[in-house]
Amino acid sequence: QVQLVQSGAEVKKPGASVKVSCKASGYTFFTYAVHWVRQAPGQSLEWLGWINAGNGNTKYSQIFQGRMTITRDTAASTVYMELSSLRSEDTAVYYCARLTGYSDSSGYYEYLQHWGQGTLVTVSS
Amino acid sequence: DVQLTQSPSSLSASVGDSVTLTCRASQNINIDLNWYQQKSGKAPELLIFGASSLLSGVPSRFSGSGSGTDFTLTISSLQPEDFATYYCQQSYSTVFTFGPGTKVDLK
Repeated sequence: QVQLVQSGAEVKKPGASVKVSCKASGYTFFTYAVHWVRQAPGQSLEWLGWINAGNGNTKYSQIFQGRMTITRDTAASTVYMELSSLRSEDTAVYYCARLTGYSDSSGYYEYLQHWGQGTLVTVSS
Repeated sequence: DVQLTQSPSSLSASVGDSVTLTCRASQNINIDLNWYQQKSGKAPELLIFGASSLLSGVPSRFSGSGSGTDFTLTISSLQPEDFATYYCQQSYSTVFTFGPGTKVDLK
């Protein structure tokens, strides 16, 4: 079965960087893209970016362009999300999620069916 | 980027009620619209993809409809486990976006 297991909670000071990992199992790693989504306390879901696990191509929300880097280690079946210049507003639960693509007679669909358990990142002085 | 709005932001209902949640996109996104359910402290769970396709294993009381810019999620006969927050998400663009969510709570 598909599983995404994320690294543990982090506490960081403003201005620091954090790197969250997402280890995939139960499927062929390089066949699927992995997305990152975060949720600040009491807030809604915010999409961050994604990586093509096969070729390493990435796409980021404009809000995080230049401050976020998503990478992958195919040998370890692991995706990483690094966020730099942290500020208190970055305090959130960060999720990784695997993209599924499905095709039928009506068209092609993409959706986030499998999610990691979430990683709480706290930014505090 | 495609912006999504959801209404209402919250609603109160009773077990057995039928409720309809709305999601509106800032531009035509065909049927590239997915719905997720999220319970407190848990990761979101996919319910519906492609605007109206029910994910295998999701109860048939959930249904989705719409295309273009206007979409709905209907829950017929609310069950106790359905009280949660529901998010729409578009996959039309390679830059995904989520709506702000609709919280469904017990009246």
